Amino acid sequence: NAGVTQTPKFQVLKTGQSMTLQCAQDMNHEYMSWYRQDPGMGLRLIHYSVGAGITDQGEVPNGYNVSRSTTEDFPLRLLSAAPSQTSVYFCASSYSKGRIEAFFGQGTRLTVV
Amino acid sequence: ELKVEQNPLFLSMQEGKNYTIYCNYSTTSDRLYWYRQDPGKSLESLFVLLSNGAVKQEGRLMASLDTKARLSTLHITAAVHDLSATYFCAGQRSNYQLIWGAGTKLIIKP
Repeated sequence: NAGVTQTPKFQVLKTGQSMTLQCAQDMNHEYMSWYRQDPGMGLRLIHYSVGAGITDQGEVPNGYNVSRSTTEDFPLRLLSAAPSQTSVYFCASSYSKGRIEAFFGQGTRLTVV
Repeated sequence: ELKVEQNPLFLSMQEGKNYTIYCNYSTTSDRLYWYRQDPGKSLESLFVLLSNGAVKQEGRLMASLDTKARLSTLHITAAVHDLSATYFCAGQRSNYQLIWGAGTKLIIKP
């Protein structure tokens, strides 16, 4: 099993550009989520999904969209990149609701200039 | 609203010493999670604490949970350099949401 795979690992965007961060898991987990990690702030939840076709907002959803067409894939779209979105992004998946011990991808370091 | 605070945020210690990282949370959290992150790497799950009084140990690390005090601790015994990392605790706000502490950066000097 590959676990949780994120691509790309690094990305530089210009302000106003859009892009999609890819996330795929091969563990048949129902629950997937996207976090951003900023220095001194821990992780903040952007969006999450409890199954194919079901998504919901987390703490900091503005400027991001998600979709979940399959159990395996959960892409994160930046609609119009802003410097405030410079961060490290992590995708995670978990077995089920209730106990959401998360398995994390390797992260995407995004810089918006 | 659940808030999670860790202290200290930075800790430098000598090998062989013992120390404790504290994780306080503001409202009810059914479960408490501890993770480890090495520099530039992803997060690795260490412990999941499910109920009051829960204690889990793995090697030189031991985690405990006191839901009445809304406190979890991560105790390091006889620290070794390999334990240098950033440690995060997270509380569970609902079935689907974790709320994270800011992390404790631990440096263990030989």
